[in-house]
Amino acid sequence: NAGVTQTPKFQVLKTGQSMTLQCAQDMNHNSMYWYRQDPGMGLRLIYYSASEGTTDKGEVPNGYNVSRLNKREFSLRLESAAPSQTSVYFCASSGRQVGTEAFFGQGTRLTVV
Amino acid sequence: AQSVTQLDSQVPVFEEAPVELRCNYSSSVSVYLFWYVQYPNQGLQLLLKYLSGSTLVKGINGFEAEFNKSQTSFHLRKPSVHISDTAEYFCAVSDRSTDKLIFGTGTRLQVFP
Repeated sequence: NAGVTQTPKFQVLKTGQSMTLQCAQDMNHNSMYWYRQDPGMGLRLIYYSASEGTTDKGEVPNGYNVSRLNKREFSLRLESAAPSQTSVYFCASSGRQVGTEAFFGQGTRLTVV
Repeated sequence: AQSVTQLDSQVPVFEEAPVELRCNYSSSVSVYLFWYVQYPNQGLQLLLKYLSGSTLVKGINGFEAEFNKSQTSFHLRKPSVHISDTAEYFCAVSDRSTDKLIFGTGTRLQVFP
C-alpha cells in the first residue's frame, strides 16, 4: 500500500521556468493538501481540495495553481518559478470520517536559482 | 479562520527528563487538534489527536496531550524522553466542517545524553 506518493523528490529550476509537482493517493481519501515547509515557518497550507473537482486557497497561494482532476491526484503547478519558492513541498490526504488523520508524502525538495 | 501558535521554537532536554511542548490555538468554529512528529528528512506522522470526550489523550511513543478549552491549549507531554525522540513536533488544528488543516511553526526537541 503506497499511501501518498509525490514526484519528483528533488528538482532544480531556473527563475522563470515552470513545473508541476505530482501527488497521488491510493487510500480513497476525499481531502488533499499541498504545503510548503520553510525553516522557522512550519508547514504553510498552499491549497487544499475537499473533494474531487473543488479547490480552495490556503495561507500562501500566490504563485501557485492546483488541479484536482480525479479523486486520486492533486497536482501543484508553478507557472513562473521564483527563488522565494525554494522550499520543501509536502502533499497530504485525509478521509472525511470524523477526525481522520492526514497522511503525508515524503516531500519534494525544490530549489529555484 | 483558525491559527496555531507553538510558543517554543526549540526545546533542549536531557535524556530521561520530562518535557512539555506548548501549543495554543484560535478558531471561531469547532476544531479537531493534532500533534505530528517529523524525523529528519522524512514526512510527518501522527502522534495523537483530540476529537472529543476525555481531554487527556494518549499517543504513540509514550506521548500524551491535554486539551484545555478555556485556555485554548493542547500541550504535548512526555514524562521521560529518549534520544530517539529528537525530532520536530508540529501542532495542528482542523476545521470540523471543511477539513482545512493548519499547522503551527513547529518545536524542535533536542534530547541530549
